[in-house]
Amino acid sequence: AQSVTQPDIHITVSEGASLELRCNYSYGATPYLFWYVQSPGQGLQLLLKYFSGDTLVQGIKGFEAEFKRSQSSFNLRKPSVHWSDAAEYFCAVGVSGGGADGLTFGKGTHLIIQP
Amino acid sequence: ETGVTQSPTHLIKTRGQQVTLRCSSQSGHNTVSWYQQALGQGPQFIFQYYREEENGRGNFPPRFSGLQFPNYSSELNVNALELDDSALYLCASSFEGWTPGYTFGSGTRLTVV
Repeated sequence: AQSVTQPDIHITVSEGASLELRCNYSYGATPYLFWYVQSPGQGLQLLLKYFSGDTLVQGIKGFEAEFKRSQSSFNLRKPSVHWSDAAEYFCAVGVSGGGADGLTFGKGTHLIIQP
Repeated sequence: ETGVTQSPTHLIKTRGQQVTLRCSSQSGHNTVSWYQQALGQGPQFIFQYYREEENGRGNFPPRFSGLQFPNYSSELNVNALELDDSALYLCASSFEGWTPGYTFGSGTRLTVV
């Protein structure tokens, strides 16, 4: 079965600094990969996704992620964070087109922005 | 787009009781999935409904059941509630499965006492 690891439970970044959130997956083939963000009291919002092709994908809110097959990673990046980026970030993997098996989510990384 | 609406937002139930959670899918979406998010954890897949049929299920017992209606709204029913069922329950709608990405509701916070 597939699994997702987000090694960092909490990350603190100063406003205006760059950000990288780590995500590693375990699966025998190339999975479908997603990053979602959850603000307090809210549902999850899709930031970006990767299925195939260009390994650098752009998302909403200035986020990007890079798929590295050799490292089984899909790290999320942003060049300059804003206070409004403070939230919980989830990496997720899907392994069947159409998705009857649902997505497997990591445990999340809590992002704190320092002024 | 109307988004995904869930009701109620909060609920307190007693162990052994039954609960029904409701979800109104985003317009144009024909797939609804339910996830359970325990405190400090990522969401866990409960099941997926596509065109009113359950077509996928995670590692949850049969006391978790659901319905999807012709207007693509949905219900999650949990029988014989246990303390460990306390969690945020998230409804996610999409078109033709999760591939395009989900639109999530804000969830129902269920507390079992």
